[in-house]
Formats: sequence, C-alpha cells, structure tokens
Amino acid sequence: DSGVTQTPKHLITATGQRVTLRCSPRSGDLSVYWYQQSLDQGLQFLIQYYNGEERAKGNILERFSAQQFPDLHSELNLSSLELGDSALYFCASSVSHGQGHRGEQYFGPGTRLTVT
Amino acid sequence: AQKITQTQPGMFVQEKEAVTLDCTYDTSDPSYGLFWYKQPSSGEMIFLIYQGSYDQQNATEGRYSLNFQKARKSANLVISASQLGDSAMYFCAMREDSNYQLIWGAGTKLIIKP
Repeated sequence: DSGVTQTPKHLITATGQRVTLRCSPRSGDLSVYWYQQSLDQGLQFLIQYYNGEERAKGNILERFSAQQFPDLHSELNLSSLELGDSALYFCASSVSHGQGHRGEQYFGPGTRLTVT
Repeated sequence: AQKITQTQPGMFVQEKEAVTLDCTYDTSDPSYGLFWYKQPSSGEMIFLIYQGSYDQQNATEGRYSLNFQKARKSANLVISASQLGDSAMYFCAMREDSNYQLIWGAGTKLIIKP
C-alpha cells in the first residue's frame, strides 16, 4: 500500500459526460501528479500540483482540468468525454519537487475509466 | 529525441534465473535521478529502486539492483533469482534536476516461466 488513495476504482460513463476523479496523497507529500495510461501504453503525464499551485503541465487536453485543495487532496475533471478517453488514470504523490529530494513518486491504485 | 529508451518490449525468463532489463537515457543535466517501477497485471505502479547521478555505488534493494554505467548512460535493472510474481511490466524513469518531472520509458513486459 503506497498510502495514496484514489476514488472511484472503476467508472463507466457515456460519451459527452463529465466525471471527477479524486486523489489523496501520502501524508506529508505536497506534490500531486496525474497520469493517463491507455491500454498497453506507457504513462502520459498530465499535470502536477505542488502545495495547491499548478507546477507543470504535460499532455493534458483542454477538456481536462485539475486542482489541488488546501487539504492537499486533488481532483481531475474530465469533460465532454470521448471513447478515446477510456484509460487508467493514476495519481501519484511525492514529498517535494525541489533539489535535495530523490523525487520518487508513489502511485495510487488508479481509476479505470470506461467511456461507452 | 527519446530521453528514456527501453529496447526490450518483452522478455521471457525461466524461474530462478537472473534477468537484466535494459534502460538507456539521454540528458545533459549533470544532476539527475533514475527510477524503476513495476506494474503487475493488477495495474498498480510500484516503486522499486532509485539511483542518483552522483551516487558512487550501484543501488540495491533486496533482489533488485541497478547496474549504473554513467559514461554509457545506462541504468539496467537486475532481478536476481526471478520468481513467478516478478511477471509484470517494468518502467524506467528519469528525473532531471532542471525539470523535476519524471520522464518515462515505454516499458518492458517480463514473463517468468515456471
């Protein structure tokens, strides 16, 4: 158990809908990362938050948005869903993002999203 | 250009044999870190081992060791005495200190045969 929690574990929804994925980082971790993993694909970095502020953006679509709240939990919002958005969405957390830290990320169990 | 290259899309290894998973990287940053993660069929991503660019010794964690060859820019994962439970996807990743994101390889699918 990495200490990172994600809900829900599975989500099935229809095209055009909007969903929210939730993540709670490990206790003490300030950085939260979101990744998308499509079937048999590697990890695509979406976005990073550090202590409530956006730090880096990857290949995140405009239909997707995220935020990190004062209690450090994070939500990833996916809207106008398309079939191609079906994937495993991971949240990861790390202690910090600065020098002096190894920077390993601990992953939650993921949310498997199926868009029908 | 690919920053992390894992040249073995898939590997079959006999149980109890040692296995080496290849990873080469490309960076001009003198300070960086290298990571290996395991993703079993259940889907979770598990952090295995870390090697810092300035570490003098190769990292080890139980049956996992990292064969770090800095001049060759390679960071191969060695699993000793493989077990059936080692069957999984293995991802190599790099963090450059100039950009604190993890850059991921495409992964290697390892299957351990009984």
